[in-house]
Amino acid sequence: NAGVTQTPKFQVLKTGQSMTLQCAQDMNHNSMYWYRQDPGMGLRLIYYSASEGTTDKGEVPNGYNVSRLNKREFSLRLESAAPSQTSVYFCASSEGVTRFFGPGTRLTVL
Amino acid sequence: SQELEQSPQSLIVQEGKNLTINCTSSKTLYGLYWYKQKYGEGLIFLMMLQKGGEEKSHEKITAKLDEKKQQSSLHITASQPSHAGIYLCGADWPQGGSEKLVFGKGTKLTVNP
Repeated sequence: NAGVTQTPKFQVLKTGQSMTLQCAQDMNHNSMYWYRQDPGMGLRLIYYSASEGTTDKGEVPNGYNVSRLNKREFSLRLESAAPSQTSVYFCASSEGVTRFFGPGTRLTVL
Repeated sequence: SQELEQSPQSLIVQEGKNLTINCTSSKTLYGLYWYKQKYGEGLIFLMMLQKGGEEKSHEKITAKLDEKKQQSSLHITASQPSHAGIYLCGADWPQGGSEKLVFGKGTKLTVNP
């Protein structure tokens, strides 16, 4: 059981570049989430997916898009990266109330 | 606005000492969750509290939820260097769905040997 896995672990982008962060879970959970963590701001929800085929905006969705490819996978896309998107990104999944988190992707946008 | 306040923001203790971290909400909580994050890693679920007055323990860590369900404390007994990390509380409220889990800003714990 790998739990929640994320790729890549680290990424450096230039302003305006695009990229997709990948997330997969092997716990057969219905719900999946993308968070960003910034110093002094805590964890903030970007998007979530309550089930396969559905996605909804969280607290800070601007500049991001998501795809719930299937029950296992939930990807986060930055179409035109900005320095304000420099952050650590966490994917999580849940069945019920407890969220299980991946190890994170550390993204720097220059 | 920040709906969950954690205190202190950071804490440095000597190995073997006890410590307490607090998490306060301005509204009655539905559920309160404690997570631990090691530096550069993901969050590890510790405990969840739902009932007023509830107390749970995980190894040397004890968490309590007050009767009014607005404040939780996390207490570590005889701290060890392995307890070092960032402790985050998360909460949801009766009027929100499960996606509405909000996190505090975290408490950074350093344990000196």
